[in-house]
Amino acid sequence: DTAVSQTPKYLVTQMGNDKSIKCEQNLGHDTMYWYKQDSKKFLKIMFSYNNKELIINETVPNRFSPKSPDKAHLNLHINSLELGDSAVYFCASSPPGRGNYEQYFGPGTRLTVT
Amino acid sequence: AQSVAQPEDQVNVAEGNPLTVKCTYSVSGNPYLFWYVQYPNRGLQFLLKYITGDNLVKGSYGFEAEFNKSQTSFHLKKPSALVSDSALYFCAVRDPYSSASKIIFGSGTRLSIRP
Repeated sequence: DTAVSQTPKYLVTQMGNDKSIKCEQNLGHDTMYWYKQDSKKFLKIMFSYNNKELIINETVPNRFSPKSPDKAHLNLHINSLELGDSAVYFCASSPPGRGNYEQYFGPGTRLTVT
Repeated sequence: AQSVAQPEDQVNVAEGNPLTVKCTYSVSGNPYLFWYVQYPNRGLQFLLKYITGDNLVKGSYGFEAEFNKSQTSFHLKKPSALVSDSALYFCAVRDPYSSASKIIFGSGTRLSIRP
């Protein structure tokens, strides 16, 4: 299936731990994103990569570090997890070309920090 | 700075009736506008977009949206609601002069269709 996939779907961990979330898209898109959706469903962009190059880096604690080994993958590593990091994290991608700005989202990773 | 507002947290409509989910935007220049839908425990799905051209844009699942430049609005509409349309709807805007592909999402409107 062509899609944006994320692993794991659920992640429960304790404060202070380090964890990673992986994202892959097989849509041939050049641009990928990480979003955080809080408990009130508010969606905020965190990072964006275009062809492995970081192009958007919002005001995110530097405990969050994205990595893009190739344009089909964008992983998110989080150090020293805090309670406030609990949220649903979405990966997305968008196709190349002017005007093609719609984004295609993965199913999300629900992170719970205890 | 670009922004988008969805003034209604929740919209309730009876099945078969027309529905409207409101969105207004603020951006310098001509905006790129989008609607997305999120079903429970799922990622967002792209519904439709306005880039340029005809002010009435048609999208997936029978939805359409009307771009109104004078009112800076981009309301989502459907002539006849289905129970399966019940979901969370997000309006989004991109600044066409932004060098990065960043879009800003509204706070979401929960649409509830009663049988």
